[in-house]
Amino acid sequence: AQSVTQLGSHVSVSEGALVLLRCNYSSSVPPYLFWYVQYPNQGLQLLLKYTSAATLVKGINGFEAEFKKSETSFHLTKPSAHMSDAAEYFCAVSEGGYNKLIFGAGTRLAVHP
Amino acid sequence: SAVISQKPSRDICQRGTSLTIQCQVDSQVTMMFWYRQQPGQSLTLIATANQGSEATYESGFVIDKFPISRPNLTFSTLTVSNMSPEDSSIYLCSVEELLAGGEDTQYFGPGTRLTVL
Repeated sequence: AQSVTQLGSHVSVSEGALVLLRCNYSSSVPPYLFWYVQYPNQGLQLLLKYTSAATLVKGINGFEAEFKKSETSFHLTKPSAHMSDAAEYFCAVSEGGYNKLIFGAGTRLAVHP
Repeated sequence: SAVISQKPSRDICQRGTSLTIQCQVDSQVTMMFWYRQQPGQSLTLIATANQGSEATYESGFVIDKFPISRPNLTFSTLTVSNMSPEDSSIYLCSVEELLAGGEDTQYFGPGTRLTVL
């Protein structure tokens, strides 16, 4: 069965610092992996996705994630945090398709001056 | 990308009543999904709604409690029936869109924030 674990329900960084949000998955088949962002009182926005092509995936707003099969990880990074990055981030997995997404618990990112 | 709207954006309801949430997409899509996000929690898939067929419900969700309609390729409704305070959640619809290049992507609506008193 698929599952997603996001390490750290809350992450706090300084503006300009590296953002690292961790995601580990379990899947019996090669997975599709996604990162979504949810700003306060809004729906989810797709940041990036991995679908078995390049292992380093670049997304919107300067975010990127690297698929590491040996570590079953898909961590999200951004070199320099902006105040506007403060939001909830969700990692999700789907086995071989784009439907039936299984979401992690989410990580709330706070960015302070 | 598909533009998705939901009505109402929020509502406060009394226990025992029912609320129907509408999801409208600006393009024709085959697959639509309904998710629930309980307070402080992640998203859980309620059901998949395909046009012309019965919705497929995930474990723990039943049609009597969450009836779904999918009358055409741009519209779906989710009803939360006989509500209790435990139904207080954000309900989100999403669609699977086929993009140029053959890749599908799932996009989400803004959500409906439901509070049951």
